[in-house]
Amino acid sequence: KNQVEQSPQSLIILEGKNCTLQCNYTVSPFSNLRWYKQDTGRGPVSLTIMTFSENTKSNGRYTATLDADTKQSSLHITASQLSDSASYICVVSSSASKIIFGSGTRLSIRP
Amino acid sequence: KAGVTQTPRYLIKTRGQQVTLSCSPISGHRSVSWYQQTPGQGLQFLFEYFSETQRNKGNFPGRFSGRQFSNSRSEMNVSTLELGDSALYLCASSPWGSGRHDYNEQFFGPGTRLTVL
Repeated sequence: KNQVEQSPQSLIILEGKNCTLQCNYTVSPFSNLRWYKQDTGRGPVSLTIMTFSENTKSNGRYTATLDADTKQSSLHITASQLSDSASYICVVSSSASKIIFGSGTRLSIRP
Repeated sequence: KAGVTQTPRYLIKTRGQQVTLSCSPISGHRSVSWYQQTPGQGLQFLFEYFSETQRNKGNFPGRFSGRQFSNSRSEMNVSTLELGDSALYLCASSPWGSGRHDYNEQFFGPGTRLTVL
């Protein structure tokens, strides 16, 4: 069964600290994996997209990694800011035209 | 380039009514997908349209339907509304249909918040 699981469900960290969010998937055949940031009440915004051959991609303070062998991805946020408070959603697409969403990690940054 | 626009942004309906939501994709994008987002279920795929044809469909009842026009604008219709239909409905556009290209990125609109009383 195609699934995308994210952990933790929620996370609270202090401003300036780093954090790492996890995404495990069982989607097959794999096409690409995307991380989205969704602010409360707004649509998701793409942070990174990685295909099978890529294992790291950065977007400013956001760095995503992908291990296609273990079917795991992580999103690392460096020097967190209050504006990083949001839900982060992992999305995996299969080459069979399926798009599977994770349930998201809700990140709260405290001053 | 203008982003994805959705109208209306907020909507309040009562049980049994029907509703139509509208989505205008980014200019040049031919694929439009619709999603339902609720706190308990997260994002769930409703359907995808590409060049006026439904390409994929999620596991939603027949009360949920959609269509796409020749200018790629899309509408979603929900008939006989139920309380459980209260959700944020998101539309996403992309240049190609899903599975067509590895870097086929989806761009989401701000969503329509539907409340069913």
